[in-house]
Amino acid sequence: DVKVTQSSRYLVKRTGEKVFLECVQDMDHENMFWYRQDPGLGLRLIYFSYDVKMKEKGDIPEGYSVSREKKERFSLILESASTNQTSMYLCASSSRLAENTGELFFGEGSRLTVL
Amino acid sequence: AQTVTQSQPEMSVQEAETVTLSCTYDTSESDYYLFWYKQPPSRQMILVIRQEAYKQQNATENRFSVNFQKAAKSFSLKISDSQLGDAAMYFCAYSFSNTGKLIFGQGTTLQVKP
Repeated sequence: DVKVTQSSRYLVKRTGEKVFLECVQDMDHENMFWYRQDPGLGLRLIYFSYDVKMKEKGDIPEGYSVSREKKERFSLILESASTNQTSMYLCASSSRLAENTGELFFGEGSRLTVL
Repeated sequence: AQTVTQSQPEMSVQEAETVTLSCTYDTSESDYYLFWYKQPPSRQMILVIRQEAYKQQNATENRFSVNFQKAAKSFSLKISDSQLGDAAMYFCAYSFSNTGKLIFGQGTTLQVKP
């Protein structure tokens, strides 16, 4: 089975702190994604990566950055956390072989609270 | 810009009954994919069913089927013989091919009553 693992299920941080959300997948997928999930807004794409060291902005990249130094790992970074970044963060991956169908495999999510 | 709209924030169904979740989308593309994902409480999201836009036949996966109306840009999910384990949030999603990026709707929370 495809496994996408997010390092933390629940985090509580203070405003201004630097936050790292880690995601690891074990299926050798080329594509990795970070989404943010908010009630009434669904999932919104923050950043995605098609290959190591490659990254592209999604629909809401402001206040976030990402890092992909290894194929299996995709990190989301909040340089200076703010209260409006309190949310559920979902990591996902997909195979380029399945690219035309777009099926994503998701982690369990990281619920971040910024105080 | 492509958009996906789920107009039903919450739905409920009696166990063993049938329920239909609605989804509409907007796109100028002719070749695309549509998906329904299920997110159980505190568990990871999983794919329920997928539809290729070039296929006229509606996709079916066991108790789950879709009604794909391309001209109307409508993509509803029908769950037959609902089970308690079907209780979850359901997301409709659209992919405009070759990118792997999905655009999601707002989600519909489905409650299944015993």
